[in-house]
Order: sequence, then C-alpha cells, then structure tokens
Amino acid sequence: AQTVTQSQPEMSVQEAETVTLSCTYDTSESNYYLFWYKQPPSRQMILVIRQEAYKQQNATENRFSVNFQKAAKSFSLKISDSQLGDTAMYFCAFILGTSYGKLTFGQGTILTVHP
Amino acid sequence: GAGVSQSPRYKVAKRGQDVALRCDPISGHVSLFWYQQALGQGPEFLTYFQNEAQLDKSGLPSDRFFAERPEGSVSTLKIQRTQKEDSAVYLCASSLGDRGYNEQFFGPGTRLTVL
Repeated sequence: AQTVTQSQPEMSVQEAETVTLSCTYDTSESNYYLFWYKQPPSRQMILVIRQEAYKQQNATENRFSVNFQKAAKSFSLKISDSQLGDTAMYFCAFILGTSYGKLTFGQGTILTVHP
Repeated sequence: GAGVSQSPRYKVAKRGQDVALRCDPISGHVSLFWYQQALGQGPEFLTYFQNEAQLDKSGLPSDRFFAERPEGSVSTLKIQRTQKEDSAVYLCASSLGDRGYNEQFFGPGTRLTVL
C-alpha cells in the first residue's frame, strides 16, 4: 500500500517571501504521479502542480515549483513570492501510474500568508 | 456550469436517518470518485465509477454506504442509518479519462453533520 506523509501541520510566511512545504511518500512501484492540491477555506480542491515519476525535471507552474527526489521519496512544494490568496490547506497526493486515478492524500499542511 | 457541483452543501441528520448526497460531474467525464474528508484531515477514497460501472468500492467504510451512477453522469452517495462517525465532508471528483494522469476536478463538497 502507498502512504503519503506531511510532517508540517501548520506553516506561516510573510507576503512576498518564499515557503517550502514538505511531503514524503512510500511505494514499491516505479510508475506513479505526485500532486499538490490546494484547498482554500471555501473547500474546493484545486490542482496546483503535478509531477510524473519518470521525469527527472522538476515541475514548475508560475510561482509554484517542486523538488522531486525520487530516491529519497520526497516531494516538496516551493511557493515563491507568497500572496495572501495562497492561504489554504495544501495536500500532497499520490496515484499509481497503472491506476484509474485513486488518489492517496497526506494529512495536509495549513499555510497562512501574513500581510 | 462548467465545474463539478454537489448538493446539498450542508446536511444535518439525526442519528439513524438515511441521507442522499448528489454529485453532478463535468459533462463528458468518464471517471467519478467519492472521497470522505474528516475535519482537519486529508480526503480518503470511498469509491470509483467508470461511466455507470462501479469498479472500485473498497473504501466504503460499511454496508451502510451505497453509491450509484445509473446513467453514467449524476451520482448519488447514500448513507443508511447514519452514525456520528459519518460526520465529515464528502467530496466528489470527476476526470475526463480513466488513467491516473488525468486531472481530477473536485466539487465543493457536502458537509454532513450527524447529531
């Protein structure tokens, strides 16, 4: 079975600064996908960024980037130039490549951006 | 609307009552997922539909939980004889294809409170 662990229950950052959220996972498979989802207080889950395990290059989406360390089974999210709208719960999630899409989520990290 | 919708947004039930939660996925999406999210936790998989076929119900916590998608579009999650431990947010997600790399689009969820 796959597991996803987020060891930071809460994080805070000043507006315009950079913050990194940590995630580790455990799997014996080699074909999988990793995701970071954002869940604002309104509750609608939004995909932030996705990483294919077979790709060595770290994914980036505007101010969001990941540090994917496959051997260490680590998948951290870096948010640059933090904005007030980044305040949300962030979830790391995992899908097996052979799966139809059953997501396994971590426990989440509450990120608060202060003005 | 272009997104996934769920109704009702909030539901209060007395212990022992039956409830029905509705999900309207994005039109044309093949895959539909139900997740259960306890307060302050990450979502946990309940069940998966590919069109009208329920291919995975391994996450349903008991036989009091039942889901259907009879015409391959709208889905209903039914909980019979609700218990306090059923209190959670129930999230529905849909995706265009049936592979793990397909992005899942989430609805706003239904918050169920069992008194």
